[in-house]
Amino acid sequence: AQRVTQPEKLLSVFKGAPVELKCNYSYSGSPELFWYVQYSRQRLQLLLRHISRESIKGFTADLNKGETSFHLKKPFAQEEDSAMYYCALPGGRGANSKLTFGKGITLSVRP
Amino acid sequence: EAQVTQNPRYLITVTGKKLTVTCSQNMNHEYMSWYRQDPGLGLRQIYYSMNVEVTDKGDVPEGYKVSRKEKRNFPLILESPSPNQTSLYFCASSWGTSGETQYFGPGTRLLVL
Repeated sequence: AQRVTQPEKLLSVFKGAPVELKCNYSYSGSPELFWYVQYSRQRLQLLLRHISRESIKGFTADLNKGETSFHLKKPFAQEEDSAMYYCALPGGRGANSKLTFGKGITLSVRP
Repeated sequence: EAQVTQNPRYLITVTGKKLTVTCSQNMNHEYMSWYRQDPGLGLRQIYYSMNVEVTDKGDVPEGYKVSRKEKRNFPLILESPSPNQTSLYFCASSWGTSGETQYFGPGTRLLVL
């Protein structure tokens, strides 16, 4: 069964510090992984997906199949990065098209 | 404007009183789904729909029903709500499957007394 693990619930850093939000997955096959972000009192929105291999708002994430990880990183955190972050794993095409989210992590960036 | 809308945004009800939360999208998306968000548990999928008249259970379907009679609408029905269904509910839609970018609604905060 597919599973997403975000081992930490909260990460608090100072502005300008590096950030790494951890995500590990369990999936039999070639996974597609996403990071979604929820700013305070706003709806969830896509931050980035691994197949696009792009950097959004300074965040990057690399799929490591050996470690089954998709950690989200940013070299210098900004206060506006404070939000809830979710890692997500689709079930693939066809009948098995569930979408599994991790439990999420709250990032707090202090001035 | 392309969007996913949910109604109502806030609802207080009592145990056993049937309720429906509506979800509508104007992007002609095939895939729609419902999630509940609870502290410490994150987002959990309740039901999803691949297209009209095609629905399937997510991870926490107990106590919920859905229907997909039209492509744009995907209502969530609680036939007999209980206090453990107090939660924040999100509807989402996307092209094709769960592997596409999900567009989320604003959320419905439900309190069952």
